[in-house]
Amino acid sequence: GAGVSQSPSNKVTEKGKDVELRCDPISGHTALYWYRQRLGQGLEFLIYFQGNSAPDKSGLPSDRFSAERTGESVSTLTIQRTQQEDSAVYLCASSVRDSGNTIYFGEGSWLTVV
Amino acid sequence: AQSVTQLGSHVSVSEGALVLLRCNYSSSVPPYLFWYVQYPNQGLQLLLKYTSAATLVKGINGFEAEFKKSETSFHLTKPSAHMSDAAEYFCAVSDTLGNQGGKLIFGQGTELSVKP
Repeated sequence: GAGVSQSPSNKVTEKGKDVELRCDPISGHTALYWYRQRLGQGLEFLIYFQGNSAPDKSGLPSDRFSAERTGESVSTLTIQRTQQEDSAVYLCASSVRDSGNTIYFGEGSWLTVV
Repeated sequence: AQSVTQLGSHVSVSEGALVLLRCNYSSSVPPYLFWYVQYPNQGLQLLLKYTSAATLVKGINGFEAEFKKSETSFHLTKPSAHMSDAAEYFCAVSDTLGNQGGKLIFGQGTELSVKP
């Protein structure tokens, strides 16, 4: 597709369940980012991929959060044993390379933990 | 470490009035600076970016921003507000040296309301 695609667009899950969020970046974009946006707040950086490697995982809030990227393309963000405070929009973004290039965002995956 | 401060979580202007959204940054290296807009229930869209070329940057929808190194500011302006400008606006900084992979550090956002 032409833009960054994320799925599911909306997910309601029960506390304690695991969830997987998927991101399809723009074709050819080597850099991929995950951010979290809680209601009414700014964007928190979670993790950055360059190719399939993640040189910066500093924003992952706990060991319940993990992410991987394969084929220098699709990325999956996994949240284990979800908690109510995990409720947020999870935004994926990609860019051609790092540093100064425009970062394009997907529309996000809205996660609600009940 | 880099950081961004957006002054005012909520700004309200009348239609046709000047829009001024303030952003100050902190960076130990020359920064790249960005403004993004987020309309309700949508993702972020790039308005404009500064990458060390001209200090006055023009973006989409009539917005512009000026990089002022001495003031560590990158305020967003538009001469005449339109109802369709109502949205959340985010200022962001990234480093120029690639040490942090080009990740963006965002401010907390400013919600712009436009009154008829």
